[in-house]
Amino acid sequence: AQSVSQHNHHVILSEAASLELGCNYSYGGTVNLFWYVQYPGQHLQLLLKYFSGDPLVKGIKGFEAEFIKSKFSFNLRKPSVQWSDTAEYFCAPGGSYIPTFGRGTSLIVHP
Amino acid sequence: DTGVSQDPRHKITKRGQNVTFRCDPISEHNRLYWYRQTLGQGPEFLTYFQNEAQLEKSRLLSDRFSAERPKGSFSTLEIQRTEQGDSAMYLCASSPGTGGANVLTFGAGSRLTVL
Repeated sequence: AQSVSQHNHHVILSEAASLELGCNYSYGGTVNLFWYVQYPGQHLQLLLKYFSGDPLVKGIKGFEAEFIKSKFSFNLRKPSVQWSDTAEYFCAPGGSYIPTFGRGTSLIVHP
Repeated sequence: DTGVSQDPRHKITKRGQNVTFRCDPISEHNRLYWYRQTLGQGPEFLTYFQNEAQLEKSRLLSDRFSAERPKGSFSTLEIQRTEQGDSAMYLCASSPGTGGANVLTFGAGSRLTVL
């Protein structure tokens, strides 16, 4: 069985601050890695994904994540957040077609 | 709208009643998923279909829960004899059968409140 741990449940930042959200997972096989985002009043949507290749992946709205296999981590980063990044962020590793979601991180960005 | 549709968006029911939720996935997607989400938690996997076949069910899916996808298109999730602990957002998602295999597209969810 796979599990996922998101270390930060609530993060409050000011605009232009840098963001890093931690995600660690446990899974024995080949793993696909995802970050999903839910903006207020909207559906969950894909932010970025990693299947293979370059461990540094870029997603929408300037987000990126780095897969570090030795640490079983897939941390999400953004160098300069905006007020519009206020949302819930979910890390979701997935093996056999079924992503397992972390508890999520609530990010609030103050203008 | 070519996204994932869920109906109803909100359902309030009394304990002991049965409820049914419907999900219409993206038409060309072969895989369909049901998740449940409670406040402050991430989505929890319930079950998954590949076309009309239900391939996996979570232990969270008690005998009171049943899901179907009779023709490989829309799906229903029924909860019998609802309990207050069933109150949650029920999310449906679909994904393609190939390529971006398990990139999920979510619907807006069906919020269940059991009184």
